[in-house]
Amino acid sequence: EAGVVQSPRYKIIEKKQPVAFWCNPISGHNTLYWYLQNLGQGPELLIRYENEEAVDDSQLPKDRFSAERLKGVDSTLKIQPAELGDSAVYLCASSSRGGDGSQETQYFGPGTRLLVL
Amino acid sequence: GQNIDQPTEMTATEGAIVQINCTYQTSGFNGLFWYQQHAGEAPTFLSYNVLDGLEEKGRFSSFLSRSKGYSYLLLKELQMKDSASYLCAGDDYKLSFGAGTTVTVRA
Repeated sequence: EAGVVQSPRYKIIEKKQPVAFWCNPISGHNTLYWYLQNLGQGPELLIRYENEEAVDDSQLPKDRFSAERLKGVDSTLKIQPAELGDSAVYLCASSSRGGDGSQETQYFGPGTRLLVL
Repeated sequence: GQNIDQPTEMTATEGAIVQINCTYQTSGFNGLFWYQQHAGEAPTFLSYNVLDGLEEKGRFSSFLSRSKGYSYLLLKELQMKDSASYLCAGDDYKLSFGAGTTVTVRA
């Protein structure tokens, strides 16, 4: 079974430029997450989707970050314009949620390493 | 939200046992996850505890006490490949991760 796929794996851009990351979750997983991970820290949730609906985007800096999951499968996270402080690893994860709403295990993709110069 | 605390670093020798503690404070709690993350790689699932007690999976065991807001991950018979960061994450319908504990295994 294929895992969570992310692209690109690495991205180097200059500040003020736009950048986009793509994620394809594990087949059948209805829940998709985008996390940001800084060096030496744990992942921090940016946004969570249940199918195509963003159910938790409270930590997403909406002035420059946007995300979409139009058909409830793959997802794109965009930053426009990028700032120096956005340099980090952007992780995508997916899971299936139990019928009682219980958390199922999240499986992570390899991440996209972003460097903003 | 949740506050997750775990030690920053631990060092042990090959073949030894190491216990990584995690304490949490949460307004809602369903269970606790442990993930392993090697440098430059994605976190991989190790365990999920919902009920109090110890769950064993080969060389790795995880313990949870809901009343104390406390968990630990026990790594036995340490191998060099166990050198990694170990992330504790509380589940309250979303995961809140600690900063991770970097375990270094020495020969």
